[in-house]
Amino acid sequence: DTGVSQDPRHKITKRGQNVTFRCDPISEHNRLYWYRQTLGQGPEFLTYFQNEAQLEKSRLLSDRFSAERPKGSFSTLEIQRTEQGDSAMYLCASSQPYGRMNTEAFFGQGTRLTVV
Amino acid sequence: GQNIDQPTEMTATEGAIVQINCTYQTSGFNGLFWYQQHAGEAPTFLSYNVLDGLEEKGRFSSFLSRSKGYSYLLLKELQMKDSASYLCAALYNFNKFYFGSGTKLNVKP
Repeated sequence: DTGVSQDPRHKITKRGQNVTFRCDPISEHNRLYWYRQTLGQGPEFLTYFQNEAQLEKSRLLSDRFSAERPKGSFSTLEIQRTEQGDSAMYLCASSQPYGRMNTEAFFGQGTRLTVV
Repeated sequence: GQNIDQPTEMTATEGAIVQINCTYQTSGFNGLFWYQQHAGEAPTFLSYNVLDGLEEKGRFSSFLSRSKGYSYLLLKELQMKDSASYLCAALYNFNKFYFGSGTKLNVKP
């Protein structure tokens, strides 16, 4: 296991189309996070899973956004009816539960979305 | 979220020492993390503080004061490759990481 992987790395889509991103976390990590990052800003929390349960979703996330982690392993983030404002880097991270060694979040390389 | 504040940009000279400060909201706080992010790349983990005091890892050290809601990252013997953004992140309620906007560090010869 070489770390968190995300697919695709880049996505260009027309406004109004749906897009789906995938994240494969580090295998022994039960926590998975999705963040969005725009230029010059830090990562912005979107949602978080513990195993297959989605425990929290940011108020920033409109109804057009949905995330799943069906078997507690990989996760998908879908954006419906994309808008130009959705253009950003979407980062996935995973971690072990707090209290264990190495509680830090490990990030994937991100999916850069451009909506034209 | 959680009012995590850090300077937007700093400039330092190769070989020098630089300190990047971070303040955060203390309610629900569990731990403080520092990440390095080069342009167009994912953040990579640098250090982690739970208790008050200094954690040293080679040229990088991080300090935490829980009562003051304050941390800093200290970079010694700066190298050109240290030019990057440095992100302060706080863990809250044992489950969520909130990030500051990042400090862009420019290392000049």
